[in-house]
Amino acid sequence: KNQVEQSPQSLIILEGKNCTLQCNYTVSPFSNLRWYKQDTGRGPVSLTIMTFSENTKSNGRYTATLDADTKQSSLHITASQLSDSASYICVVSPNTNAGKSTFGDGTTLTVKP
Amino acid sequence: DAGVIQSPRHEVTEMGQEVTLRCKPISGHDYLFWYRQTMMRGLELLIYFNNNVPIDDSGMPEDRFSAKMPNASFSTLKIQPSEPRDSAVYFCASSGGLAGTAQETQYFGPGTRLLVL
Repeated sequence: KNQVEQSPQSLIILEGKNCTLQCNYTVSPFSNLRWYKQDTGRGPVSLTIMTFSENTKSNGRYTATLDADTKQSSLHITASQLSDSASYICVVSPNTNAGKSTFGDGTTLTVKP
Repeated sequence: DAGVIQSPRHEVTEMGQEVTLRCKPISGHDYLFWYRQTMMRGLELLIYFNNNVPIDDSGMPEDRFSAKMPNASFSTLKIQPSEPRDSAVYFCASSGGLAGTAQETQYFGPGTRLLVL
């Protein structure tokens, strides 16, 4: 069964600090992995998308890494800001069905001043 | 582009009533997705369309749920009759490509918050 597990479930950090969120998956065959940011009361917004051959992808202060061998991904946030407070969702897609992505439960990040 | 547009943004109804949620995807996108999000179950894919044709509706919880896409710029998700356990946020998303391509990125609407009393 395809699964995506994210850790930690929630995280509280101080403004300006760095943090790393984890995503482990068992989706196979693998096509791509995406990280979304979801602010409270809003829809998810794509941060990064990585295919099998990509190891790292950056979007401003957000850097995602992918290890397709171990089926692990991480999202690193540098110099956190209060606006980074949100839920971060890892989504993995197989290459057999465009719509059947598997969603993680998300990590809720709170950045405090 | 205004992005994915959903209406209404909030809906409160009584059990047994019919509920219709509406979505306008981003112009030019070939794929449209309906999701449901709850605290207990997270984001769940209900159904998706490609070129207005339903491709996979295996996520639709039961016969009370139905979705249509009469044209490339409009889709509806209908619940009849509604039940309290249908209370959730319903998102519509659209994308411009297939899995494995950059165009596959899904753009989500703001969601419809449904409360069934």
